[in-house]
Amino acid sequence: QSALTQPASVSGSPGQSITISCTGTSSDVGRYNYVAWYQQHPGEAPKLIIYDVSNRPSGVSDRFSGSKSGNTGSLTISGLQAEDEADYYCSSYTASNTWVFGGGTKLTVL
Amino acid sequence: QVQLMESGGGVVQPGTSLRLSCAASAFSFTTYGMHWVRQAPGKGLEWVANIWYDGRNKYYANSVRGRFTISRDNSKNLLYLQINSLRAEDTAVYYCARGQARANSFDVWGQGTMVTVSS
Repeated sequence: QSALTQPASVSGSPGQSITISCTGTSSDVGRYNYVAWYQQHPGEAPKLIIYDVSNRPSGVSDRFSGSKSGNTGSLTISGLQAEDEADYYCSSYTASNTWVFGGGTKLTVL
Repeated sequence: QVQLMESGGGVVQPGTSLRLSCAASAFSFTTYGMHWVRQAPGKGLEWVANIWYDGRNKYYANSVRGRFTISRDNSKNLLYLQINSLRAEDTAVYYCARGQARANSFDVWGQGTMVTVSS
């Protein structure tokens, strides 16, 4: 149950696009289309923004999109806004009937 | 609105036990799998445990198996996490989360309850 690998930090200017990667193994990310992404602002609970690799829950901006290739999932945020500054976590279901999170990525909007 | 509310956290001594509760409201609790996720201060999210909608199956992270027990009371819309032999490394905010229907993600989260293990 090793954590998925995410970059510790990314940054971008308002209006730009950024991508956060999430690398796992053939037993989790590579095995299932169950990669999810969560946004967490300081002092708040996480919020689901992408599920099943590329699906957005109702009410989530279409500036958020997800994809997957092999053992790596990706979250892209287009048209960066100040309110996007937060921590982002990926997760995946695993072959052991468990779930695993990434270490988290801090997004800074310059 | 759909809501989860945790309770039961606090400051406890190493080696003691604690039971966390999570009250669900405004959705059909009996049809959803439920999870506990924790977050140590300044650290990332860690999945802890899952229980099926009917309580028949339970799964745990390796780091807590044997000390933590997840359970639920569907007649009261309550989820529980029993934590035994508490250690300093169990210090964290504990969130309950709803398992999204037909997807392996967590679509509703509580506000969390803080557990601090300290002598």
